[in-house]
Amino acid sequence: ELKVEQNPLFLSMQEGKNYTIYCNYSTTSDRLYWYRQDPGKSLESLFVLLSNGAVKQEGRLMASLDTKARLSTLHITAAVHDLSATYFCAVEGSGTYKYIFGTGTRLKVLA
Amino acid sequence: NAGVTQTPKFQVLKTGQSMTLQCAQDMNHNSMYWYRQDPGMGLRLIYYSASEGTTDKGEVPNGYNVSRLNKREFSLRLESAAPSQTSVYFCASRGDFGTSGSVHNEQFFGPGTRLTVL
Repeated sequence: ELKVEQNPLFLSMQEGKNYTIYCNYSTTSDRLYWYRQDPGKSLESLFVLLSNGAVKQEGRLMASLDTKARLSTLHITAAVHDLSATYFCAVEGSGTYKYIFGTGTRLKVLA
Repeated sequence: NAGVTQTPKFQVLKTGQSMTLQCAQDMNHNSMYWYRQDPGMGLRLIYYSASEGTTDKGEVPNGYNVSRLNKREFSLRLESAAPSQTSVYFCASRGDFGTSGSVHNEQFFGPGTRLTVL
């Protein structure tokens, strides 16, 4: 059974600081997705990671995937208030149409 | 392109009432999904439809039924609502992107339906 764990669940950080969110999953998969959700809103796709060693960057966010370790990271560089949101990773089970989501990381960036 | 649309946006039901949540997509996607999101939790898959004419159970199917009416529409029905079904419901569709050798699938989400069962 595919399980996805994120940590930390909550993250409060100062503007300008760096931090990393971790996403671990339990079975083989080579497709991992990161989403952002603002309060009361739907999910917005951030990154699609398709293979071992994949790295994607958009602004202050960078995501990477290590399929051997079954680990993805979302790194935040020099955080700004606008990055405050909840971030989810999701894993697509190999050979299935199912996506399993992590519990999310609620990020608050303090001015 | 409206993307993925859901109706209604908000709904309040009494225990035992029934209702159907509607979802439609105009992106010609084959696969569609229903999720629920509870406070402090990620999304949990209720049902999905890999293609028109097929539906399968997800993680939390009990108390729900679905219908894939056609390629565009995928509805979720609560036959006898319970307070435990109070949640935000998201519909999503999945598209295939990229070229040969680098195809990937990405989900697009609707705006959600906020359901309260009293």
